[in-house]
Amino acid sequence: AQSVTQLGSHVSVSEGALVLLRCNYSSSVPPYLFWYVQYPNQGLQLLLKYTTGATLVKGINGFEAEFKKSETSFHLTKPSAHMSDAAEYFCAVSGTGANNLFFGTGTRLTVIP
Amino acid sequence: NAGVTQTPKFQVLKTGQSMTLQCAQDMNHEYMSWYRQDPGMGLRLIHYSVGAGITDQGEVPNGYNVSRSTTEDFPLRLLSAAPSQTSVYFCASSYGTSRADTQYFGPGTRLTVL
Repeated sequence: AQSVTQLGSHVSVSEGALVLLRCNYSSSVPPYLFWYVQYPNQGLQLLLKYTTGATLVKGINGFEAEFKKSETSFHLTKPSAHMSDAAEYFCAVSGTGANNLFFGTGTRLTVIP
Repeated sequence: NAGVTQTPKFQVLKTGQSMTLQCAQDMNHEYMSWYRQDPGMGLRLIHYSVGAGITDQGEVPNGYNVSRSTTEDFPLRLLSAAPSQTSVYFCASSYGTSRADTQYFGPGTRLTVL
């Protein structure tokens, strides 16, 4: 069965500090993993994805995530938070059939000036 | 390209009313889907389509119908609205049906059922 757990529904960081958003997954097949960002009153935008190959994936806006199979994790990081990073972040895993996604419950990131 | 468009942006219904949420994409995408977003629950798949004339159920299909008569359009019908269907609805599409394909999301429709 496919599922995603995001630890921490709210995360606050100071501007310039490290951002770390946690995601653990469960998958009955080799996982394809995604991070999406949602700004207020908008749709979801892809930040990055892991399919195969390099386990460290770089995305837009300076974010990156590392696929760790042994830990079933795909945590999202950014070295230095910016005010514009304030948003809700969703981790997702692909289903076993068609291109269906299973989402975590989301983490709201607040950046403190 | 306009990408994925959804109408209306906001809608208020009374219990028992029916309505159709519209979704269109101009990217010639094969795969289209509907999700609902509820606080603390993330997004959950309602229905999806892997091509014109083909639809299937997702995780939470009850109370919703879909059809896909063209590649571009994928409307979601609420047959008899209930307060439990108050939610934000997102339509998404991807070029193919591979598990690796990126899904592109519309701006959403905020629905309130009284």
